[in-house]
Amino acid sequence: GQQVMQIPQYQHVQEGEDFTTYCNSSTTLSNIQWYKQRPGGHPVFLIQLVKSGEVKKQKRLTFQFGEAKKNSSLHITATQTTDVGTYFCAGPGGGATNKLIFGTGTLLAVQP
Amino acid sequence: DTAVSQTPKYLVTQMGNDKSIKCEQNLGHDTMYWYKQDSKKFLKIMFSYNNKELIINETVPNRFSPKSPDKAHLNLHINSLELGDSAVYFCASSQAGVAGPSYEQYFGPGTRLTVT
Repeated sequence: GQQVMQIPQYQHVQEGEDFTTYCNSSTTLSNIQWYKQRPGGHPVFLIQLVKSGEVKKQKRLTFQFGEAKKNSSLHITATQTTDVGTYFCAGPGGGATNKLIFGTGTLLAVQP
Repeated sequence: DTAVSQTPKYLVTQMGNDKSIKCEQNLGHDTMYWYKQDSKKFLKIMFSYNNKELIINETVPNRFSPKSPDKAHLNLHINSLELGDSAVYFCASSQAGVAGPSYEQYFGPGTRLTVT
């Protein structure tokens, strides 16, 4: 079945360092979403990318959708302790529903 | 106002018991979901309802039975609980899920189920 993998599984950075998580799908995606889950919290939608090669920025966060629409990345510049959490990408599961297949997630730890 | 709410937040029960989790959304969305998040943080869709109709039914044991009395509510009943059912269960909602661009999903705070 369709799989969405993320690397790394875990990353520990010093505050101020940059961070990148990569998302790879086994199938071509019509779009990709990113969510953030704080420790003990619930996933919160960050952004959706639709176009091949699309790049979107939200303050220190930069999201990119691959040209082949099978991969995506999230880059955080100058991490802060508030960036701590697990970042998930999610792609459509196909069919006439809004089913999402979530990636395996990347847990980011930021040391002050 | 809480957009997607779930009760209870915590649920501790013994093997073999039956329990229910309730979810409500006040966003006016047509589609609601149940997800299971295991100890490794993997987030997996279980069920989805669109305007009270079951549209997604993943490979989930028959002991799990969702029910949507109206489009603002989605409940999950679990029979004969097993140790492996221990997880965090999230309810979510979105605009109508039809073919085309995906809609963002709004998650509830989760229900941490512990089966002993």
